Amino acid sequence: EAGVAQSPRYKIIEKRQSVAFWCNPISGHATLYWYQQILGQGPKLLIQFQNNGVVDDSQLPKDRFSAERLKGVDSTLKIQPAKLEDSAVYLCASSYPLAGGNNEQFFGPGTRLTVL
Amino acid sequence: KQEVTQIPAALSVPEGENLVLNCSFTDSAIYNLQWFRQDPGKGLTSLLLIQSSQREQTSGRLNASLDKSSGRSTLYIAASQPGDSATYLCAVRGNYGQNFVFGPGTRLSVLP
Repeated sequence: EAGVAQSPRYKIIEKRQSVAFWCNPISGHATLYWYQQILGQGPKLLIQFQNNGVVDDSQLPKDRFSAERLKGVDSTLKIQPAKLEDSAVYLCASSYPLAGGNNEQFFGPGTRLTVL
Repeated sequence: KQEVTQIPAALSVPEGENLVLNCSFTDSAIYNLQWFRQDPGKGLTSLLLIQSSQREQTSGRLNASLDKSSGRSTLYIAASQPGDSATYLCAVRGNYGQNFVFGPGTRLSVLP
């Protein structure tokens, strides 16, 4: 079974520039998550999708971050404009939501963003 | 608001030792708890998931226990190997549809 795919793996940009990350979840997984992991910290959830609808975006800085999952499969996370404090690894995860199940999450390799 | 801490932040042990990693959480109303491994520059790999009704889970040399009432989980690694060197993260999911809250991780180095 193929895992969660993310691209690019690395990105370096100047502050105030825009950047976009792409995620392809495991086939059949309806739930998709984007996390931000700052160096030395655990991942923090930015947004959760169930199919193409947003379930939780309470920690997404909506003035500069946006995400979409138009067809309920692939997802894109965008930052516009980027700030220095956005330097982090952006992780995508997916899960298959079974009723009463454990919703185990499977993670992609992440995109390491450096904002100069 | 759920808060998750992990002690120690870093640990260095000689190969062959048995070791325990600790995870504490402030809200005991959890749905499940998951332990992950993260290698440098990589994503997270799931190790063990414990449902709130369970006391422990085992996989190979790994054993995770859960004590909800005290807000603690431990990950026991038997006969550690250099290949176990990584950062170990615990994550807690709340009872009311909340998403995972992660701890900051424990960085483990197993010396040959």
